[in-house]
This record gives sequence, structure tokens and C-alpha cells, in this order.
Amino acid sequence: DVKVTQSSRYLVKRTGEKVFLECVQDMDHENMFWYRQDPGLGLRLIYFSYDVKMKEKGDIPEGYSVSREKKERFSLILESASTNQTSMYLCASSPLGRYEQYFGPGTRLTVT
Amino acid sequence: AQSVTQLGSHVSVSEGALVLLRCNYSSSVPPYLFWYVQYPNQGLQLLLKYTSAATLVKGINGFEAEFKKSETSFHLTKPSAHMSDAAEYFCAVSDPGYSTLTFGKGTMLLVSP
Repeated sequence: DVKVTQSSRYLVKRTGEKVFLECVQDMDHENMFWYRQDPGLGLRLIYFSYDVKMKEKGDIPEGYSVSREKKERFSLILESASTNQTSMYLCASSPLGRYEQYFGPGTRLTVT
Repeated sequence: AQSVTQLGSHVSVSEGALVLLRCNYSSSVPPYLFWYVQYPNQGLQLLLKYTSAATLVKGINGFEAEFKKSETSFHLTKPSAHMSDAAEYFCAVSDPGYSTLTFGKGTMLLVSP
């Protein structure tokens, strides 16, 4: 089975802090994704990556950056956390040329 | 741009009743379509996918969906609801040219005894 893990299930940070969310997949997938999920808004794509050191902006990249130094690891960075970034963050991966994505358990981030 | 509309943010059924969750999409090219399920405080799990083979697709947990090109629909059904089906369900459509998906806003399925 594909396994996607995220570094924390719950995280509480203060406004202005730099926040790192880590995602690791163990299936050698080329594509990795970061979403945020908010009630009534569904999933919105923040960034995705189709190869090491490559990144593409999704629908809502403002306030976020990403890093992919190794194929299995994709990090989401909040440079200066704000309260409007309180959300559930989901990481996913998919193999090259395939659309079905496999999701991690999510990180519920609260910024106070 | 692709879009997905899920009719009804909440759907309530009784245990043993038919489950019908609606999904309509717009796409400029023949799409790949997916249904995912999310249980509380968990990530999304793939239920089933349509990839241009058979139009009736069977998934896990007794769910199935039918691709209807003329109606641009991909509704999810299950003949008999179980309490364990209570969850949020998301429909998604592929984005041409990228390996990304566009998701609907989700439908919460409530199952009463």
C-alpha cells in the first residue's frame, strides 16, 4: 500500500512564526501536492511538484513556499504564519502519468 | 478550466436506504474522474476512479459510479447505506496538461439508524 506520512497531526503556532510541514511518501512517486482544506471550500491546491527541486504554484500559493530536495519528501513552509492560515493541510502523491492521488492523514494547524 | 459541482453539502439517509451523491463536472477534454471519502480527522481515501474504460465503475465498500458524458455527471451510489458510510465525499476531475485534480466542495453523508 502507498503510505504518505505527515510530520504532525496537530500543530499550534503563534502569529509570525515560521512553520514547516513535512510530508514523506514511500512509493517512489514523482508527483507531490500540498492542499489546504477549509469547511465549505473543499480542497484547494497550494503547490505541487513533479520532480526533485521542481515546483509549480497551485490556486492559492500566497503566503506559502515549498521545498523538494529529495524525491520522497515535500515540505510546505509558512514564512510568517497568520491567523488566516489556520486550516487542515493535506499532502498527497501520485505516480508519473497517473492522476489518482494518495493522501496523508493531514495536519491540523492552528495559528493564534 | 475544470470545475466540479457537488449538489448538496449535506445528504441524510436512513440505514439501509439508497445513497446517491451527485457530481457534475466541466472539462475541455475527456476527463478522468474520481470519488474520495474522508472520515473524521483523516486524509482522503480513493473510493473509485473513471479512466475512460467502462462507464460503470465499481469501488470499495460497495460504492459505484456511472460516467454519463451527455449529462457531464459522475454520480456516486450505494444500494444500502451502512452507519459506517457516514463521512465526507469528494468528487474530483483531472486537469489536462498537468497531473493535478480539481475537487468539488464535498458532500457530508449522514446516516441515521
